[in-house]
Amino acid sequence: DAGVIQSPRHEVTEMGQEVTLRCKPISGHDYLFWYRQTMMRGLELLIYFNNNVPIDDSGMPEDRFSAKMPNASFSTLKIQPSEPRDSAVYFCASSFGIGQETQYFGPGTRLLVL
Amino acid sequence: GEDVEQSLFLSVREGDSSVINCTYTDSSSTYLYWYKQEPGAGLQLLTYIFSNMDMKQDQRLTVLLNKKDKHLSLRIADTQTGDSAIYFCAENFSGGYQKVTFGTGTKLQVIP
Repeated sequence: DAGVIQSPRHEVTEMGQEVTLRCKPISGHDYLFWYRQTMMRGLELLIYFNNNVPIDDSGMPEDRFSAKMPNASFSTLKIQPSEPRDSAVYFCASSFGIGQETQYFGPGTRLLVL
Repeated sequence: GEDVEQSLFLSVREGDSSVINCTYTDSSSTYLYWYKQEPGAGLQLLTYIFSNMDMKQDQRLTVLLNKKDKHLSLRIADTQTGDSAIYFCAENFSGGYQKVTFGTGTKLQVIP
């Protein structure tokens, strides 16, 4: 398997624009996680899905953020409108089950909002 | 709520042992993990320990768990320059929905 695939790898946009980050989890994995990493706040869990259903979105910062998982092989994280403080590296991870099961991380999308 | 804390930085000489420490608050944690993040990459699981264990050894890695003090450590024997990375401690919070909470990360610098 190719591992968790994220696109784009880098995104530069202007404040107010819509940003869509994409993730393809490892085939067969039933959990998908979206994380945000910044120097100030470290690694934060934004939302996670089980079998395409959002389970916990308490980490989503505000209504400007939304995430969907229309099928088992694809998820999006959308920011609308984007703000400079959204600049961060966004990671997608997937796992088969939870608990001791390893979360496999994608390479991340580095977002810069000017 | 759950909280996981680590020191931010550790510097060691090549060949020495590294010890990275972590404290957590959730006494109901079931699993505790150590992840490694190399520059420009995502996190990679190094090892994990079940909460009813005190120690786990895996080649150069030794994990020690003190449940009473809620303290977790990762010892890397014979540290190599390739071990330079950020190391994250994480706990599995078992209250209700399960999710993993990550620490702030410790940046390990190995000096040749």
